[in-house]
Amino acid sequence: AQSVAQPEDQVNVAEGNPLTVKCTYSVSGNPYLFWYVQYPNRGLQFLLKYITGDNLVKGSYGFEAEFNKSQTSFHLKKPSALVSDSALYFCAVRGDNYGQNFVFGPGTRLSVLP
Amino acid sequence: NAGVTQTPKFRILKIGQSMTLQCTQDMNHNYMYWYRQDPGMGLKLIYYSVGAGITDKGEVPNGYNVSRSTTEDFPLRLELAAPSQTSVYFCASSTRRTGSTDTQYFGPGTRLTVL
Repeated sequence: AQSVAQPEDQVNVAEGNPLTVKCTYSVSGNPYLFWYVQYPNRGLQFLLKYITGDNLVKGSYGFEAEFNKSQTSFHLKKPSALVSDSALYFCAVRGDNYGQNFVFGPGTRLSVLP
Repeated sequence: NAGVTQTPKFRILKIGQSMTLQCTQDMNHNYMYWYRQDPGMGLKLIYYSVGAGITDKGEVPNGYNVSRSTTEDFPLRLELAAPSQTSVYFCASSTRRTGSTDTQYFGPGTRLTVL
């Protein structure tokens, strides 16, 4: 069975500091990994994805994520946080075997303090 | 492109009433999904469709029905609404064909309260 864990409900970081939002996963087959962001009263917006290739993936708004196969992790990072990055972040995964759908993590609320 | 649109934005139902949540996408995506989002629980897949005329159950299908008569539309039907169906409902679509990356695009959501 597929699963995603986001071990932190909440992450607080000061503006200008680096941020990390953690994600670990379990899938059958090779993983397709995504990060989405949700602002209040809005739908989820795509940030970045890992399908294959370079383990470091760069996405929207200066975010990046590193795929680590041995640790089954896909942590989201940003070198310098902005107050406007405050939102709810979801990690999602699906295996590349036929018929599998995405599984979403429970979400991590990021608060960037001025 | 409007992307994925959902109506209504908000709705309050009484127990036992029924309603249909509408979802339309204009990106010619073959896959469409319905999720519900409960606080602290992430998104749970209710139903999905791989193309017009084909639907399948997700993780939490009980109390819901769907249909997909066209590529663009994927309505979600609630029969006999119950308080446990109070949630925010998101529709999404993606392209899952050879060479595609299966990025999901989400609608703005429908906030449903059942009293």
